[in-house]
Amino acid sequence: AQSVTQLDSHVSVSEGTPVLLRCNYSSSYSPSLFWYVQHPNKGLQLLLKYTSAATLVKGINGFEAEFKKSETSFHLTKPSAHMSDAAEYFCVVSEGDDMRFGAGTRLTVKP
Amino acid sequence: DTGVSQDPRHKITKRGQNVTFRCDPISEHNRLYWYRQTLGQGPEFLTYFQNEAQLEKSRLLSDRFSAERPKGSFSTLEIQRTEQGDSAMYLCASSRVVNYEQYFGPGTRLTVT
Repeated sequence: AQSVTQLDSHVSVSEGTPVLLRCNYSSSYSPSLFWYVQHPNKGLQLLLKYTSAATLVKGINGFEAEFKKSETSFHLTKPSAHMSDAAEYFCVVSEGDDMRFGAGTRLTVKP
Repeated sequence: DTGVSQDPRHKITKRGQNVTFRCDPISEHNRLYWYRQTLGQGPEFLTYFQNEAQLEKSRLLSDRFSAERPKGSFSTLEIQRTEQGDSAMYLCASSRVVNYEQYFGPGTRLTVT
């Protein structure tokens, strides 16, 4: 079965500096990969998804992720953090109907 | 597109009581999913429907849990004889077809005292 590991439970950056949230996955097939964001008291929102097209995926709010099969990674990046980016981020691997979420990375943005 | 809605948003119940949650998916979505999320963890899959058919259930879904989607529209998740370990956020999501974006509702937070 597929699985996903988010390598950092908490990341803290200063406003205006780059963001890197790391995700490694395990899958027997060609998976679909997603990043979701969860703000306090709000539902999960899709940031971006990879479904075997371009390996560099652009999402909403300036986020992007690169699928690296050789490294089994799907790290999320953003060039410049904004205060509103503070939230919980989940990496997700999917094989068909079965979606597996990582444990999440809490992003803190300092002014 | 009014989004996925869940009711209630919060539920506090005593151990041993039954509770029922409702999820209204986006109207044209034929797939509906239930997840459970505990503090500090990502959502865990419980079950999903395609139209009115329940196609898969996780081992997490004990005999005390039952889900229905009678007319292929809204869904209910019932927990019988609640236990303190059932305390969690219960999330509902819907999508058009497999591997399409799942849209999540705000969740129902259950606290069992």
